[in-house]
Amino acid sequence: AQSVSQHNHHVILSEAASLELGCNYSYGGTVNLFWYVQYPGQHLQLLLKYFSGDPLVKGIKGFEAEFIKSKFSFNLRKPSVQWSDTAEYFCAVNFMTTDSWGKLQFGAGTQVVVTP
Amino acid sequence: ETGVTQSPTHLIKTRGQQVTLRCSSQSGHNTVSWYQQALGQGPQFIFQYYREEENGRGNFPPRFSGLQFPNYSSELNVNALELDDSALYLCASSFGGTSFFGPGTRLTVL
Repeated sequence: AQSVSQHNHHVILSEAASLELGCNYSYGGTVNLFWYVQYPGQHLQLLLKYFSGDPLVKGIKGFEAEFIKSKFSFNLRKPSVQWSDTAEYFCAVNFMTTDSWGKLQFGAGTQVVVTP
Repeated sequence: ETGVTQSPTHLIKTRGQQVTLRCSSQSGHNTVSWYQQALGQGPQFIFQYYREEENGRGNFPPRFSGLQFPNYSSELNVNALELDDSALYLCASSFGGTSFFGPGTRLTVL
């Protein structure tokens, strides 16, 4: 069965530090990949997505992610975080099986806390 | 804001009762999906509706059912509520394979 795993459940870092969140999935076929963010008290927002093409994708708020097909990974990065990046981050995968279009499987999420 | 709205915001029910949650999709989106997000977990796919037909279902029992209307708005119905149904219920409308989420309905079952 397909699965999505996020490596860290909680990350605490200081402002200006670099952030990298890991996401791995298990499936040998085609995938569409997403990172969503949930700020405190707000709804899930799309940070970035990968469908095809350049495996390095840039999203909103200075985030980027790299798809490494050989490692089944889609890690999220930001070179320098701000206090406002405190949020929960979710990796989500659409496993492109029959009739799977638009159906997402999420990781458990990573709570990121940025201290001033 | 995504343009996806959900009602109500919060709801408290008792075990055995039935509940209906509502979602209005973003304009132009004909596909709506529902997800359950338990505390401390990622959202789990319940089912998807496309042009008023159920188009795939996750690992949820039949007491979870839904509808989609001609204007693409949707309802999620849960019968015979159990304590474990307490969660945030998210609606997402999608276009071109990308899902946009509403704010959710927080359901508490006592």
